[in-house]
Amino acid sequence: KQEVTQIPAALSVPEGENLVLNCSFTDSAIYNLQWFRQDPGKGLTSLLLIQSSQREQTSGRLNASLDKSSGRSTLYIAASQPGDSATYLCAVGSYSGGGADGLTFGKGTHLIIQP
Amino acid sequence: NAGVMQNPRHLVRRRGQEARLRCSPMKGHSHVYWYRQLPEEGLKFMVYLQKENIIDESGMPKERFSAEFPKEGPSILRIQQVVRGDSAAYFCASSPSPRAEQYFGPGTRLTVT
Repeated sequence: KQEVTQIPAALSVPEGENLVLNCSFTDSAIYNLQWFRQDPGKGLTSLLLIQSSQREQTSGRLNASLDKSSGRSTLYIAASQPGDSATYLCAVGSYSGGGADGLTFGKGTHLIIQP
Repeated sequence: NAGVMQNPRHLVRRRGQEARLRCSPMKGHSHVYWYRQLPEEGLKFMVYLQKENIIDESGMPKERFSAEFPKEGPSILRIQQVVRGDSAAYFCASSPSPRAEQYFGPGTRLTVT
């Protein structure tokens, strides 16, 4: 059964810093990995999708990497801004997940960017 | 292209009543997924449907919960005889094909009193 862990659970940094969020998964038989952002009381916004054959994806100030063999992904945020404050969720699509066609989510990293 | 739509956004039910949650996928998407987010918990997969078919319901509680995605109209998640433990945010996602990128709706926040 796939399990997804996100470290740290919470992070508070001053504006302008570069930061890295970590995601690990137990089963490397995945078909994709998605990073989402969730604002309080809101839905999920998809940030980046990495297919299992890819090593990284970039969108603006965000860069996500994937190392399938070691079961790890990182989300790099450059030049952080207060508007980046949110909970960041890592979700894995895997052949052994709870429901092979559903995503398995980590519990998220709660990020606060101090002005 | 409108995103995934869910209604109602907030739903209050008394214990024992029925809750019906609706999800309209993005245009052109025929694959729908339901997830539940309990307080202080991560999102958990519940069920995956294609038009008129339940493909995977391995995450659905065995009793009181059901889902459908008819040929016409939205997908419905139905919870019968709700209990306080059903209070959660229920999210719907859609994709254009199996195991493709999933797009999420804003969620329905169910409160059982």
